[in-house]
Amino acid sequence: SQTIHQWPATLVQPVGSPLSLECTVEGTSNPNLYWYRQAAGRGLQLLFYSVGIGQISSEVPQNLSASRPQDRQFILSSKKLLLSDSGFYLCAWSVQATGRDTQYFGPGTRLTVL
Amino acid sequence: GNSVTQMEGPVTLSEEAFLTINCTYTATGYPSLFWYVQYPGEGLQLLLKATKADDKGSNKGFEATYRKETTSFHLEKGSVQVSDSAVYFCALRVEIGNEKLTFGTGTRLTIIP
Repeated sequence: SQTIHQWPATLVQPVGSPLSLECTVEGTSNPNLYWYRQAAGRGLQLLFYSVGIGQISSEVPQNLSASRPQDRQFILSSKKLLLSDSGFYLCAWSVQATGRDTQYFGPGTRLTVL
Repeated sequence: GNSVTQMEGPVTLSEEAFLTINCTYTATGYPSLFWYVQYPGEGLQLLLKATKADDKGSNKGFEATYRKETTSFHLEKGSVQVSDSAVYFCALRVEIGNEKLTFGTGTRLTIIP
């Protein structure tokens, strides 16, 4: 069966510090991968998605970046965190096939920037 | 563009009450519609979905019918339980291939015994 892992589960970082959140998927090959952010009092916002290694699409301009160094690994990064980067970050995957439209979400990382 | 508007919360109900969480959408294409649920301390899980007009998605006693004429996908349950307390997200997808989801802002539901 497929599983998706995210770490760390919680993170408190000072403003201006770097960030690296990791997401890995097991039990499937060549998945679509996604990073979402859920800010306090707001809905889910798609940040990045990837259809393959090294292929990243950004949905919103920001100081975050994403990379996909391996087929089932998706990393969210920042060189300098802002207060507004605080939120709950969710990684998700889906099967690359027409009609297989369900996304499966990881447990999330709660990031607090102070 | 694509957008999802859902009922603002929080919603508080007594156990065994009837639940409706409204969701309406705008889409540039012919979307698939979803309800996701986020239980406390967990990530999102797919609750149900519908891919074409008049389809009814159902799971765990929840139902939602894809109404193209009213561009709606309201979530209903006849008798809620304390364990249904969670945040519910309505979402749509119109692009085949990358399967990007557009989410509503979420509705927090609390069921009291």
